[in-house]
Amino acid sequence: NAGVTQTPKFQVLKTGQSMTLQCAQDMNHNSMYWYRQDPGMGLRLIYYSASEGTTDKGEVPNGYNVSRLNKREFSLRLESAAPSQTSVYFCASTSGTGYEKLFFGSGTQLSVL
Amino acid sequence: DQQVKQNSPSLSVQEGRISILNCDYTNSMFDYFLWYKKYPAEGPTFLISISSIKDKNEDGRFTVFLNKSAKHLSLHIVPSQPGDSAVYFCAAGESNDYKLSFGAGTTVTVRA
Repeated sequence: NAGVTQTPKFQVLKTGQSMTLQCAQDMNHNSMYWYRQDPGMGLRLIYYSASEGTTDKGEVPNGYNVSRLNKREFSLRLESAAPSQTSVYFCASTSGTGYEKLFFGSGTQLSVL
Repeated sequence: DQQVKQNSPSLSVQEGRISILNCDYTNSMFDYFLWYKKYPAEGPTFLISISSIKDKNEDGRFTVFLNKSAKHLSLHIVPSQPGDSAVYFCAAGESNDYKLSFGAGTTVTVRA
């Protein structure tokens, strides 16, 4: 059971470089999310997609873009990476709203030098 | 401003004893609450949840208590086991919304 798969697991970028974090889920979930985890800050929502074809900003969207490619895939793009974007990024999915729990991927550790 | 707060960054407990993790929230619109557990180099995994219509939910060794008037919830782990050593995140949301707000996490260490 793959669940939520994120690639890559580790990445080092130089300031100003761009990259895309990939996420795919095989649970037929409607909603997908991107979070970042920073020490002392917990998990903060960057962007989410409530359903295929829709995307919305979360708490900390600046410097990021997303694409809901299809129902399975939700990518996060950093157009011009900054040191403040050094973080651990988690993709998550759920079947809906309300009391539905989130399923998380194993994370991408990103360092921007 | 964080809407969900876990004011204790860490907790150390002896194996077999009770672990109590606390969480406070500020948004009165939140009507469901969850706890997630995270091991190093892994994503968070769901542990237990509670809706605002209840004040207690139990699942094996884990019990979550909700005090709506105080905007406070707690997670009790009894008895604590070495495998419980992890980071625990409290989360809250509105049942008609897609977003969850997370606390900063509490690192639990269970001593043998």
